[in-house]
Amino acid sequence: GAVVSQHPSRVICKSGTSVKIECRSLDFQATTMFWYRQFPKQSLMLMATSNEGSKATYEQGVEKDKFLINHASLTLSTLTVTSAHPEDSSFYICSARVQLAGESYEQYFGPGTRLTVT
Amino acid sequence: GQNIDQPTEMTATEGAIVQINCTYQTSGFNGLFWYQQHAGEAPTFLSYNVLDGLEEKGRFSSFLSRSKGYSYLLLKELQMKDSASYLCAVLDSNYQLIWGAGTKLIIKP
Repeated sequence: GAVVSQHPSRVICKSGTSVKIECRSLDFQATTMFWYRQFPKQSLMLMATSNEGSKATYEQGVEKDKFLINHASLTLSTLTVTSAHPEDSSFYICSARVQLAGESYEQYFGPGTRLTVT
Repeated sequence: GQNIDQPTEMTATEGAIVQINCTYQTSGFNGLFWYQQHAGEAPTFLSYNVLDGLEEKGRFSSFLSRSKGYSYLLLKELQMKDSASYLCAVLDSNYQLIWGAGTKLIIKP
């Protein structure tokens, strides 16, 4: 299957600083990219959806000024957590969707980034 | 409202077969995904069904019945490494993924 990479895999930062997470689709061009966060033993929570060259669509309750998403190309999306606080500590996962012929889709996830804010 | 139901936990024996069911009620339907997720890791794509019927990929098969709002994931020749959570997710009319809570599968020797 297709590969989605995510960098860094783990990051520890101090409260008040900003952290950037990169997501790349390595061997395909993604129609759409998604950012999720997941708390322990819970299902994934969609934060935002982004299409290349346009502004991201944020889910209700997600602060767009705090979680900045830039979708620079069909293979790269970045999530910047600004002015991080301990409650932002979570597992952040990006996902890339590709539409195949015949209205078929595949959606792959990056390995995730474990963010710890101290 | 939108709802995806799957069992919370299942237990099976190594070498056996297990079927994980998923029922859904969503606003529109553009396909159903199954993912495997090991603890502390991101989900891994297993299958996508948009037409009724059975799709087989090695030891894993996925079935869909759109009229019944029902899907299952069938795992054959279970291995210890198959112990994981299995997530069912439906692509709704807005092409948003609606997630089930996941089924934790425990494999015993």
